[in-house]
Amino acid sequence: DAKTTQPPSMDCAEGRAANLPCNHSTISGNEYVYWYRQIHSQGPQYIIHGLKNNETNEMASLIITEDRKSSTLILPHATLRDTAVYYCIVRVAGRGSNYKLTFGKGTLLTVNP
Amino acid sequence: SAVISQKPSRDICQRGTSLTIQCQVDSQVTMMFWYRQQPGQSLTLIATANQGSEATYESGFVIDKFPISRPNLTFSTLTVSNMSPEDSSIYLCSAGLDTQYFGPGTRLTVL
Repeated sequence: DAKTTQPPSMDCAEGRAANLPCNHSTISGNEYVYWYRQIHSQGPQYIIHGLKNNETNEMASLIITEDRKSSTLILPHATLRDTAVYYCIVRVAGRGSNYKLTFGKGTLLTVNP
Repeated sequence: SAVISQKPSRDICQRGTSLTIQCQVDSQVTMMFWYRQQPGQSLTLIATANQGSEATYESGFVIDKFPISRPNLTFSTLTVSNMSPEDSSIYLCSAGLDTQYFGPGTRLTVL
């Protein structure tokens, strides 16, 4: 699986949009970009994933550049509850043995009042 | 999505003993995964548990230390054997058909 690079930490004001970047310059054509977050010692929570088109769900939006070498997770109106470590992970599609997720260090997002 | 539960949620154990952690999924899944998260660290995959076959372990993890069972498509156990304080971690299981979902984790402290 391709490696990802994320800033170690970011701050955001409550109510503002949080934009979390991720570089994955070695991503392969069959690899998806997944985002998870982990709120203090809880199990990671799935947020969103995409291949090459921008995606949006009730939690966030995912913007993937045209060359697929980087992406941005957008939390449109951050709240204090969004304070967490955010992980950007790339992995191949499918359900086989290479389905495993490889976690990096992620970005600690702190939402301030 | 898959809803995953784990038991116990936390435990404090003595050195040299073993602890078995249970993971239950609310739907049938082919593969389940076990991760370890040491204090202040990210998640590390221990093994992949496939129903009906032996688990596949990642580098640095061995079956004698972390035996895994996968008796059916909704359940798995991970045993942490002959524990030492270095085994103090959060242990998490995950599963899912396409997207992987995680359980709440088991916080283990070894004295």
